[in-house]
Amino acid sequence: ETGVTQSPTHLIKTRGQQVTLRCSSQSGHNTVSWYQQALGQGPQFIFQYYREEENGRGNFPPRFSGLQFPNYSSELNVNALELDDSALYLCASSFRSDEQFFGPGTRLTVL
Amino acid sequence: LAKTTQPISMDSYEGQEVNITCSHNNIATNDYITWYQQFPSQGPRFIIQGYKTKVTNEVASLFIPADRKSSTLSLPRVSLSDTAVYYCLVGDRRGSGYSTLTFGKGTMLLVSP
Repeated sequence: ETGVTQSPTHLIKTRGQQVTLRCSSQSGHNTVSWYQQALGQGPQFIFQYYREEENGRGNFPPRFSGLQFPNYSSELNVNALELDDSALYLCASSFRSDEQFFGPGTRLTVL
Repeated sequence: LAKTTQPISMDSYEGQEVNITCSHNNIATNDYITWYQQFPSQGPRFIIQGYKTKVTNEVASLFIPADRKSSTLSLPRVSLSDTAVYYCLVGDRRGSGYSTLTFGKGTMLLVSP
């Protein structure tokens, strides 16, 4: 059974650019949550997708958007990047009401 | 949402028992207490969850007093590989995959030889 995978592992962008991060859910999981973790902080919830629909959203602006595909993989898109968007972006998958399993994350640096 | 307070860091030596205490004065009746472990450049990993009294699994024990305003994660005989950040969360039980997880800053545990 493959765990949660994320790509890329590292990414460097400049202010104002757009970025897309990808997440492959663990086999059999249909729910994906995204978290942002700034250096020295705990992960902060961005949003969650269940069966291709957004199922909840944290306190993040609309320039953070997402998609979930029929195979339950997911994308996180961030437009108009700001310096403060530099962080580790974590994806977690689950099957309906089961435990959330986290991927290794994507380290985004905005210059 | 119930807030949690934990020590920023703790130091220990291999073979010792480590107890990390978390305060959650505003815990709600339906809230569970859950602990996660995170290694550098990895996502958090579930360790243990409880509602009251004591819970034990193969890696840790969780002690929760009757008033539930605090909890203590106990790691028996730590090793160097237990060096990590430990997060205390209160909220929906682990089974609620729909729910969001609210993390604080966690406790950085450093285990030395």
